[in-house]
Amino acid sequence: KAGVTQTPRYLIKTRGQQVTLSCSPISGHRSVSWYQQTPGQGLQFLFEYFSETQRNKGNFPGRFSGRQFSNSRSEMNVSTLELGDSALYLCASSLDSPDTGFTDTQYFGPGTRLTVL
Amino acid sequence: ILNVEQSPQSLHVQEGDSTNFTCSFPSSNFYALHWYRWETAKSPEALFVMTLNGDEKKKGRISATLNTKEGYSYLYIKGSQPEDSATYLCAFYFHSGAGSYQLTFGKGTKLSVIP
Repeated sequence: KAGVTQTPRYLIKTRGQQVTLSCSPISGHRSVSWYQQTPGQGLQFLFEYFSETQRNKGNFPGRFSGRQFSNSRSEMNVSTLELGDSALYLCASSLDSPDTGFTDTQYFGPGTRLTVL
Repeated sequence: ILNVEQSPQSLHVQEGDSTNFTCSFPSSNFYALHWYRWETAKSPEALFVMTLNGDEKKKGRISATLNTKEGYSYLYIKGSQPEDSATYLCAFYFHSGAGSYQLTFGKGTKLSVIP
């Protein structure tokens, strides 16, 4: 079974631009979560999608948004990029159920390294 | 934001030594605790998902216990091997109200196993 894939792997943008990152989960997985990894803050939760709906959300500003498609693929968008958005963005997928989340094993993708200049 | 503390921050052990780390979290609103291993230049790898007080999980030489009443989980590695060198992260999942959940990661324990 193919693992979680993320595209692109590396990205360089300038302040004020917007960016869209993509995540394809493991086949059959319906939950996709997004995380941000920075040296200062460590790993932080952005949001989780299940069946095309945002089910849980972390404490990030509205510039960070996402969506999930009917095939469970997910995209994350960051608008009006700031220097502090430079980070490794990871997505993870899991089976989970409609009623509960985060009780199944999460499988992480390789990440997208975003650099904002 | 709820704090999750992991100790120690880093650890150097000799090959063959057994070791353990701690993840401390708030005891209220507990939902689940996940342990991950994160090797340099790789993706985090899930080790255990723990949901019940008293849970004990084992995977090869690695095991974990959970105490939700006092807010801690221990991760044990028996007979450490160089390939165990990685950062071990715990993630605390909690109810944040209205049927939704939040999660907070610890900063991790960086383990280096010296051959």
